[in-house]
Amino acid sequence: DTGVSQDPRHKITKRGQNVTFRCDPISEHNRLYWYRQTLGQGPEFLTYFQNEAQLEKSRLLSDRFSAERPKGSFSTLEIQRTEQGDSAMYLCASSLDVDTGELFFGEGSRLTVL
Amino acid sequence: GDSVTQMEGPVTLSEEAFLTINCTYTATGYPSLFWYVQYPGEGLQLLLKATKADDKGSNKGFEATYRKETTSFHLEKGSVQVSDSAVYFCALSLNTNAGKSTFGDGTTLTVKP
Repeated sequence: DTGVSQDPRHKITKRGQNVTFRCDPISEHNRLYWYRQTLGQGPEFLTYFQNEAQLEKSRLLSDRFSAERPKGSFSTLEIQRTEQGDSAMYLCASSLDVDTGELFFGEGSRLTVL
Repeated sequence: GDSVTQMEGPVTLSEEAFLTINCTYTATGYPSLFWYVQYPGEGLQLLLKATKADDKGSNKGFEATYRKETTSFHLEKGSVQVSDSAVYFCALSLNTNAGKSTFGDGTTLTVKP
C-alpha cells in the first residue's frame, strides 16, 4: 500500500501523559499536513511542512504540541501533558509540491484522554 | 477568515433517489473548491474538485459546479446507491496557502435499499 499511513490508529492515555503519533506520507510528496478532527466537525488545520521545514502553525497548536519532520520523509506529532480536550482524531495528509490543493489523507490516529 | 458552510445532516435517502448537498463558502481570494468523501473506517479521499468559476467537477456520478456569484459548490448525484453511504466534506483551498484547506463540518449520507 503506497498511501499515507499513520500509527498508532488508536491511543488511550491518562491525563498528563505524553503521546506521539507518526505519519508516513506518500513517498514522492514534499508537503505534509497535520489536521485535527473532533466528532461532528470537519478537519481543522494544525501545521504544515514542506520537506523538513515547518512553514506554518495554527493558533490551535498550543506549546504542548510539537511536530517534526527531520529528514523530510515521515513526521511525528507529540502532545505533552495531555488534557481531556485533546481527545480527537489526528489526521495526516500529504500532497505534491504543486498548488493544486488536493490532499491525500491517512486513516487517522484517534486519541482518547481519560 | 475563510469558511465553509454545509447543509446540516444527516441525510437519509432511498436507493436511486436524487441527492443534493449544499455548500457555500467565504474566502478572501479565489479559492479552489473540493468535495472529499469518507467511507466508514477509511480516511478522507478526494471526490471531485473545481479550480475556477463555472468549472464543473465530476466523478463517480457526482457533480458540483463552482458558482462564484452565489459562492456555492453544491454536490449532486442523479441516482444514489447504498455504496454512496458516507460522510461528505466540502472544502476550499487558496493557492497562496500552499494546500492548506478549510473544511465544512461534513454531511452524513445514508442510502437505504
